[in-house]
Amino acid sequence: AQKITQTQPGMFVQEKEAVTLDCTYDTSDQSYGLFWYKQPSSGEMIFLIYQGSYDEQNATEGRYSLNFQKARKSANLVISASQLGDSAMYFCAMREGPLGSGNTGKLIFGQGTTLQVKP
Amino acid sequence: AAGVIQSPRHLIKEKRETATLKCYPISRHDTVYWYQQGPGQDPQFLISFYEKMQSDKGSIPDRFSAQQFSDYHSELNMSSLELGDSALYFCASSPAFQEGEQYFGPGTRLTVT
Repeated sequence: AQKITQTQPGMFVQEKEAVTLDCTYDTSDQSYGLFWYKQPSSGEMIFLIYQGSYDEQNATEGRYSLNFQKARKSANLVISASQLGDSAMYFCAMREGPLGSGNTGKLIFGQGTTLQVKP
Repeated sequence: AAGVIQSPRHLIKEKRETATLKCYPISRHDTVYWYQQGPGQDPQFLISFYEKMQSDKGSIPDRFSAQQFSDYHSELNMSSLELGDSALYFCASSPAFQEGEQYFGPGTRLTVT
């Protein structure tokens, strides 16, 4: 079964508008972490934002925020005021279980969403 | 601060050859992860090291081996290369037991012809 699901293969957004990229996850662990990465066409994997399962506040980092709905097991990325440079592939990833006790922190990735920002 | 460094950035090999990919983690990061990303795919976890010991193993072929050295850099050794090994190989690093931190290097793009 897919642990991380990103249902939007591709998205378009107008420059300066906000966009939400969906991510749902499946885990039976109470402690886990959710990451979002950006992968431009050049290929590097850029860390954007992190949300721990016990964090009560939604994570924010500049124009990025994470809409964390634990009961729904969703961790959507919201990008405000889109810029042309935001055009890229976006991956949602999960670390299952708490770190330590044999859990090394490896990440499981979703299939990714390609975002294109229109001028 | 310097990020994760990987070398080489691009590598072209022929079938049945060997390849060695290197990874230099962020300073004071003692955990290293290797991921493989095939064309149009999401990254898949291969193997990880903590304090120079293998800490976890994923879908890594037996033809691949890896190690972490005393200075925490890591090398991924790939033998008997196959066309299907063509992929982007990422190294990531994190400080042990620090949630929310896993930073990726720029990747090594391996092409097997």
